[in-house]
Amino acid sequence: DAKTTQPNSMESNEEEPVHLPCNHSTISGTDYIHWYRQLPSQGPEYVIHGLTSNVNNRMASLAIAEDRKSSTLILHRATLRDAAVYYCILRWAGANNLFFGTGTRLTVIP
Amino acid sequence: KAGVTQTPRYLIKTRGQQVTLSCSPISGHRSVSWYQQTPGQGLQFLFEYFSETQRNKGNFPGRFSGRQFSNSRSEMNVSTLELGDSALYLCASSLETSGTSTDTQYFGPGTRLTVL
Repeated sequence: DAKTTQPNSMESNEEEPVHLPCNHSTISGTDYIHWYRQLPSQGPEYVIHGLTSNVNNRMASLAIAEDRKSSTLILHRATLRDAAVYYCILRWAGANNLFFGTGTRLTVIP
Repeated sequence: KAGVTQTPRYLIKTRGQQVTLSCSPISGHRSVSWYQQTPGQGLQFLFEYFSETQRNKGNFPGRFSGRQFSNSRSEMNVSTLELGDSALYLCASSLETSGTSTDTQYFGPGTRLTVL
C-alpha cells in the first residue's frame, strides 16, 4: 500500500484555521485520499475523502495538489473539540481496509 | 441509528488464556473490520468480514481469528494470549452495498485488552 508522510504534531490557536499537510508521492491513479481523526479515548472517525478535486463538507475541506502527490486537510476554525490525531490514508478503490500511518497530533490552544 | 457497539469495553486476561471480543455493526452494515491499536505499532488492520466470509486479512499470526454471523455481528478470538497482545481492539463497520467500495468506516469505542 502506498505510504503517506505527515508531521508528528501541530499546534493551532482556537478559532484559527488549521492546515494539516500530507505527502503521498507514490500514490496511484486509483487511490483515494481519506482523512480520519481519533479523539482522545475514542475510535477513529471519518473526516473527508477525495480523488482528484478539492472537497468540502461540514467538518473540513480537502485540497489536493494537481499532481496528487500531496494534500492538505483544512479546518476552517479550530475548536478545542478538534484536538485529535489526524490520519491521512490512501485507499485503493477496491479495498475496504484502512492502513493507518502515525498521523498528526493536533493541539488546539485556547 | 445506534453506532457500532463493542463488548466488553475492558478485559483483563493472563498469558496463555484465550479471549473473544464482540462487535455489533450499525444496522444495515454488512462489512466489519477489526483493528489493533498499540502505542508502539499504532493502528493495524487485522481482518475484514463481509457476508460471513473473511475478505481481507492483515499480517497477524494465526492466533488471531474472527467470524461473522448472518446478522453481520462479528467476533474476534485471540488464543494463547501473549503480553504483546495488550491493546485496544477496534471494530469498524461499513455499508458495502456492492461488495467492494470506499464506503466510510464507522468505528466503535474499542475493547481495551490487558494481558498480565
